[in-house]
Amino acid sequence: GESVGLHLPTLSVQEGDNSIINCAYSNSASDYFIWYKQESGKGPQFIIDIRSNMDKRQGQRVTVLLNKTVKHLSLQIAATQPGDSAVYFCAERGFNNAGNMLTFGGGTRLMVKP
Amino acid sequence: DTEVTQTPKHLVMGMTNKKSLKCEQHMGHRAMYWYKQKAKKPPELMFVYSYEKLSINESVPSRFSPECPNSSLLNLHLHALQPEDSALYLCASSQDYGAQPQHFGDGTRLSIL
Repeated sequence: GESVGLHLPTLSVQEGDNSIINCAYSNSASDYFIWYKQESGKGPQFIIDIRSNMDKRQGQRVTVLLNKTVKHLSLQIAATQPGDSAVYFCAERGFNNAGNMLTFGGGTRLMVKP
Repeated sequence: DTEVTQTPKHLVMGMTNKKSLKCEQHMGHRAMYWYKQKAKKPPELMFVYSYEKLSINESVPSRFSPECPNSSLLNLHLHALQPEDSALYLCASSQDYGAQPQHFGDGTRLSIL
């Protein structure tokens, strides 16, 4: 999910359906990836993370998939609920000018229709 | 509820004012971070403190002055800000420098008149 101008990419799903949010990352040397959920008026909330030596990790209703070949990360949310409506950010950790800090992707807005 | 507490939640100030943002965590984390987030954009790193010492300053203008009085507290002192500094200012902490995940507070919404 890369932002274009002032508009966040938006994914609209029906309540109960599965959601897939995608993220392309840039640094092939990144060793750790994380997904955050940010609701309106709140700070980013940790959802799930994955290290580069794994390609899949599951949490409660969420799964993160990592494809290092194409530098792609995805977040799958099962049985999406209205409370899942938020902006979702992926982030990667890789050595850059700021040391091994997080670099955030542009964000994707998830809207859940009742 | 977030384990990183930020005050105030909202702040409106003029360009000549001096104010401070505060952040507190009691998780025993030794790294603390300030981020700036504009609307519809991801957080951008400003400063990193590790063991109460400034480790990273991402070329932030001197009108922003961070301070870490102890391992639980992080302040951001503001002076002579510009309208473009209006944003959500987020504090985060992690167990150690570079450790993940970082835990975020809910931010201070800052408006410069």
